[in-house]
Parts: sequence; structure tokens; C-alpha cells
Amino acid sequence: GAVVSQHPSRVICKSGTSVKIECRSLDFQATTMFWYRQFPKQSLMLMATSNEGSKATYEQGVEKDKFLINHASLTLSTLTVTSAHPEDSSFYICSASGLAGGIQETQYFGPGTRLLVL
Amino acid sequence: KQEVTQIPAALSVPEGENLVLNCSFTDSAIYNLQWFRQDPGKGLTSLLLIQSSQREQTSGRLNASLDKSSGRSTLYIAASQPGDSATYLCAVSTSGSRLTFGEGTQLTVNP
Repeated sequence: GAVVSQHPSRVICKSGTSVKIECRSLDFQATTMFWYRQFPKQSLMLMATSNEGSKATYEQGVEKDKFLINHASLTLSTLTVTSAHPEDSSFYICSASGLAGGIQETQYFGPGTRLLVL
Repeated sequence: KQEVTQIPAALSVPEGENLVLNCSFTDSAIYNLQWFRQDPGKGLTSLLLIQSSQREQTSGRLNASLDKSSGRSTLYIAASQPGDSATYLCAVSTSGSRLTFGEGTQLTVNP
């Protein structure tokens, strides 16, 4: 299957700093990338959907000014957590999907990034 | 709004036992349903994907069924092994490729 990578895998930062997480599709062109957040022992919650070259669509309750998403190329999307606070500590997972014959393909998931804000 | 529920939340079985994980969803207008495996602190591994027109899919010791009209899916694991211990997530795709996840079943297979 297709490979999606995330960097960094783990990050610890001080409260008030900004953190950037990268999501890359390594062997296919991802027209759409998704960002999820997962709290301990809970399921994945979709934060936003980004299509290459256009603005991300955020889910209800997700602050777009706090979670900045950029999808400037078909292989890279970034999520920046601005002015991070301890409550932003979570596991962030991205996924990517491409188009085949005009049909959106299945999502391929990255390995996740563990964010801890002190 | 689509809601996905998984039962049980946790399951512990002895090695070799066959087991069934359950998933239900409220809106039957789905494109497909997918079962994932997640190991602690890791990302998701796709196990099986069932299109809305299909009834079941099989891969090795895994068999997933889908009853779209009743909003249910089951994941059957035959002859369970300690290496099967993980959290199993069910997700349904509605509009486009949007996925809605259940909260998962944490499976422990004891040697």
C-alpha cells in the first residue's frame, strides 16, 4: 500500500510556542489530506480536510487560527499548532488520499505525532 | 450526523479463541466501511475495507461482514494470537472520503 510519513514522531514544547507537524505522501500524489486528533483511549476526531492548493475545511469546534493547515503541494501538508497550551497535548495523525479515475481513493494513514505541551 | 459505536470497549481472551468485534452506525448511507488496527502509540493499519455493495471481505484469519440496512458490521478473528492484541477501530465513509470512527475495541489475547 501507499506510504505516508509524519515528522516529527514526538515533540515536547513549552506552553506558548508554536509547533509544526509535517505529513508527506511518499509514493503517490495526495489531492486530499486529513488531520485527526486522538486523546488517550479515545477515537480519532477529524480536525480538518485540506485539498492541494486551496484552504482547509475545518470541523465544527476546531479553531482555524490555532491549527494552521497548509497543503501547498501534492505530497506535503503541514499542521501548525500556534501558541500551544497543555490542553493541546494529544496524538495527531494525518491521512492522505488521491484520485483514481475521478474517484477519491481510500485514505492512507501516517504513523502519528505525539505532542506534549508543558 | 453519523455516529459509530463499537462493542465491547475491551475484550480479553485466551490464545486460540475465535472472537467477534461489533460495530454499528446510525446512517446507512455509506460508501464503505473499514476496519483498522492500532497498536499503542502508533498510527493506523488498514485491515479490511468493505464497499457498500459488498457483504463481506476476508483476509487470512480476519473476516468482516457488512449489513448496511441494519447499520452493522462485525470483524471475526479466527484462532486468535497474542500478536493480535491491539485496538481495533471501525470507520465508515459517508460523503466523499470523510471517515467517521468508532471508539475502538481494545483486544488482549493472553498466551
